[in-house]
Amino acid sequence: ETGVTQTPRHLVMGMTNKKSLKCEQHLGHNAMYWYKQSAKKPLELMFVYNFKEQTENNSVPSRFSPECPNSSHLFLHLHTLQPEDSALYLCASSLFGTVNTEAFFGQGTRLTVV
Amino acid sequence: DQQVKQNSPSLSVQEGRISILNCDYTNSMFDYFLWYKKYPAEGPTFLISISSIKDKNEDGRFTVFLNKSAKHLSLHIVPSQPGDSAVYFCAASGNSGNTPLVFGKGTRLSVIA
Repeated sequence: ETGVTQTPRHLVMGMTNKKSLKCEQHLGHNAMYWYKQSAKKPLELMFVYNFKEQTENNSVPSRFSPECPNSSHLFLHLHTLQPEDSALYLCASSLFGTVNTEAFFGQGTRLTVV
Repeated sequence: DQQVKQNSPSLSVQEGRISILNCDYTNSMFDYFLWYKKYPAEGPTFLISISSIKDKNEDGRFTVFLNKSAKHLSLHIVPSQPGDSAVYFCAASGNSGNTPLVFGKGTRLSVIA
């Protein structure tokens, strides 16, 4: 248990569906991240939120829409996804502004787009 | 273009021997380096880190070495145990760790009893 909780753990959705991934942290962190892990690829950074403000969007297609209502919660809204979007989506949090601190990851949501 | 490279996708080591996992980076702005360990169906968990002002950091059986001139770091596990079998990710960050982590592809370590 890392203090970062992601739901659901597994999700199967059709290409026309709309779904949301949820991430919650109770570590007092002020930065949250979405990463994507595809087979045989590095963990890819998707979005960064510092103090609830989006500070980075790594050229992610608009079919992925993040939302950060407060420092403890992060959502990833999904719509009209493609089969190649099937991957493990990982949420992480950290204490931005603290020197040399690590990020803590949730267990991930395994997404399958059919 | 990958900024963090782990060129060995897998490694097998006998129990009790040393495991050495390697990582190279290209961005000279990176100044903080981390190793994460990942078991199947779990998220990565932090293992050990090193700041660019050091060349070695040790924590129990785990030691990370940093060679800044070669832009290379390595993780040594000694003695290796079957429970160490997992995927190990190298990650790097800049601005004293205040930029998002950039990860390598990972190396799958299998420790054989």
